Amino acid sequence: EVQLVESGGGLVQPGGSLRLSCAASGFTFRSYSMNWVRQAPGKGLEWVSYISSSSSTINYADSVKGRFTISRDNAKNSLYLQMNSLRDEDTAVYYCARDAGYSTSFAAGYWGQGTLVTVSS
Amino acid sequence: DIQMTQSPSSLSASVGDRVTITCRASQSIATYLNWYQQKPREAPNLLIYATSSLHTGVPSRFSGSGSGTDFTLTISSLQPEDFATYYCQQSYNIPWTFGQGTKVEIK
Repeated sequence: EVQLVESGGGLVQPGGSLRLSCAASGFTFRSYSMNWVRQAPGKGLEWVSYISSSSSTINYADSVKGRFTISRDNAKNSLYLQMNSLRDEDTAVYYCARDAGYSTSFAAGYWGQGTLVTVSS
Repeated sequence: DIQMTQSPSSLSASVGDRVTITCRASQSIATYLNWYQQKPREAPNLLIYATSSLHTGVPSRFSGSGSGTDFTLTISSLQPEDFATYYCQQSYNIPWTFGQGTKVEIK
């Protein structure tokens, strides 16, 4: 069974930093691209960042570019999101999501339960 | 960025009803369109990928169609567990973008 478990969320002041982790199990982690997607309270879904299976391709939403860094450790079956210079508008539940693995289209086929990041003074 | 617009934003329906949700892209995305279902306080779940293909384990009452800029999600006979918010998402271009969501409520 595919399992994705996020951790590292919490309350942080504006301008602060936080590192999110996503522990993967139940599949061959090194074979799949991964994403971070966030959801502000009461709002819709926003894609944040993508990393390919080998880390050779990385993309970011403009809203986080230059402040957030995605990475992965295939030996540890783990995905990370380093978040610096946090702003109020970064407050959200952050989900890690695995590529479904379909050749015809990228889709986020498996999601973690999410971790809440609250940026507030 | 490609803008995704869903309609309606919300709808009320009864168990057994046929429900249709539409999604429009601001430019052609071929068939790179996915649909997700999200229930309150839960993570989203993939329903349909590449416009019309059902993800593993998704009931056949869900179907999708369209191409280019106009897409549709149809639930042929609404079940109690289908009351949720539905999102479309394009995977044609980075950044992936989602529609604003359509909340399906009980009439």
